[in-house]
Amino acid sequence: AQKITQTQPGMFVQEKEAVTLDCTYDTSDPSYGLFWYKQPSSGEMIFLIYQGSYDQQNATEGRYSLNFQKARKSANLVISASQLGDSAMYFCAMTGNTGRRALTFGSGTRLQVQP
Amino acid sequence: DVKVTQSSRYLVKRTGEKVFLECVQDMDHENMFWYRQDPGLGLRLIYFSYDVKMKEKGDIPEGYSVSREKKERFSLILESASTNQTSMYLCASKTPVRNTEAFFGQGTRLTVV
Repeated sequence: AQKITQTQPGMFVQEKEAVTLDCTYDTSDPSYGLFWYKQPSSGEMIFLIYQGSYDQQNATEGRYSLNFQKARKSANLVISASQLGDSAMYFCAMTGNTGRRALTFGSGTRLQVQP
Repeated sequence: DVKVTQSSRYLVKRTGEKVFLECVQDMDHENMFWYRQDPGLGLRLIYFSYDVKMKEKGDIPEGYSVSREKKERFSLILESASTNQTSMYLCASKTPVRNTEAFFGQGTRLTVV
């Protein structure tokens, strides 16, 4: 079975500062993928970044980077230079290569960026 | 512009009614999913379909069924709606390739009274 744990229900960050959102996972699949999604108050789900379990380098997409530590089973999202528009719910998710092909989501972290 | 469309943004239904939530995607994706989203619980998988007429139970299938007669359409059915099924329902679609993103519909907020 796959499990995603996000232990921070809410986070505050000052505008222009960096913030790290935590995500730990558990799976028996030897090969898997990790995703981060953003959900603004409008409700849409916006894909941010992907990391494969065999990727040698940490994924980056603009101001988003994924701090992937395989031995610790963590996949933290780092947002650099926070903007007011970054205020949203953030979900970590994973999919396995065998067994479950659906995305398993964590409970989410609500990020509020303060001016 | 790729799209996943859910038939209703808001629904109010009475206890005991049979409820249909419809989802259509235009990306020719094999995989389609239904999730429900509740505060503090994140997104929980109800059912998953990996092909026409093929389905798998997710983590919380009780009280729900699904139908996928055509590749582009995935329906979620509440056989007899109950108040504990009041929630936000999200449909998503994806290719089977692991490193591709899932695309989500806008969500249906269902209230059962």
